[in-house]
Amino acid sequence: DIQLTQSPSFLSAFVGDRVTITCRASQDISSYLAWYQQKPGKAPKLLIYAASTLQGGVPLRFSGSGSGTEFTLTISSLQPEDFATYYCQQVKIYPRAFGPGTKVDIK
Amino acid sequence: EVLLVESGGGLVQPGGSLRLSCAASGFTFSSYDMNWVRQAPGKGLESVSYISSSGTIIYYADSVKGRFTISRDNAKNSLYLQMDSLRAEDTAVYYCARDSRSDFDFWGQGTLVTVSS
Repeated sequence: DIQLTQSPSFLSAFVGDRVTITCRASQDISSYLAWYQQKPGKAPKLLIYAASTLQGGVPLRFSGSGSGTEFTLTISSLQPEDFATYYCQQVKIYPRAFGPGTKVDIK
Repeated sequence: EVLLVESGGGLVQPGGSLRLSCAASGFTFSSYDMNWVRQAPGKGLESVSYISSSGTIIYYADSVKGRFTISRDNAKNSLYLQMDSLRAEDTAVYYCARDSRSDFDFWGQGTLVTVSS
C-alpha cells in the first residue's frame, strides 16, 4: 500500500497570508494525486486533481504542484472561507489512501 | 446536478449489522465507479471500499475485509454497503463518493453509524 504524510498537521495563519501544505507519498505516484477541502460537518470537496489541475469552480488562489513523491497545495491569499482541513489522496492504486490532513486555523 | 444521498445509518450493537444505501441522480450512474469512504469522529478520511461501474471489480480496506460487502444496482441508480460483525471502531460518518478515475469528484452528505452497546 502507498502511505501519504502531510506537513504541517496544523497551521495558524492570517487572512491574506500565503499558505503551503506538503504531501509526501511513500513511493512514486507520478501525478496521481488529488486535494480536498473539508469544513466541519460537511463532506470533502475536490479542489485539485492530477496534482495540479483545478476543479471547476475552485478559486484561482488555490494551486497544486509536484510529481513523484512530493506535492504541494498553495493558497496564494488566504480568505476567511478557506479555514478548513485539507487532505491529499493518491489515486494511482487501490486502496486510494488519504493523507492525515492539515487543519488551517485563523490566527 | 449530481446528487448522492446516503441512508441507513444509525445505532447498532457490537456484532450487529447495517445496510447503507446511496441513491444517485443527475448523472449516468452505470458509467461510474463508486466508493465508500468513512470518517471516525475527529479523525481523517479512510477509503473503505470500491466497486467498478459494472460491479465486477471490488476492493476493500483491510480493516473491513470479510465483514463488509459493497454492491450496486445500476437499474436503481443505487450503491450499497452491507456491514456485518460491526465493531466500536467502525463508528464513523460513511460517505459515498463518485470515482472519476483521477479523484472522487462528488460526495454525499454522509450517514452516521454508531456501534455501541
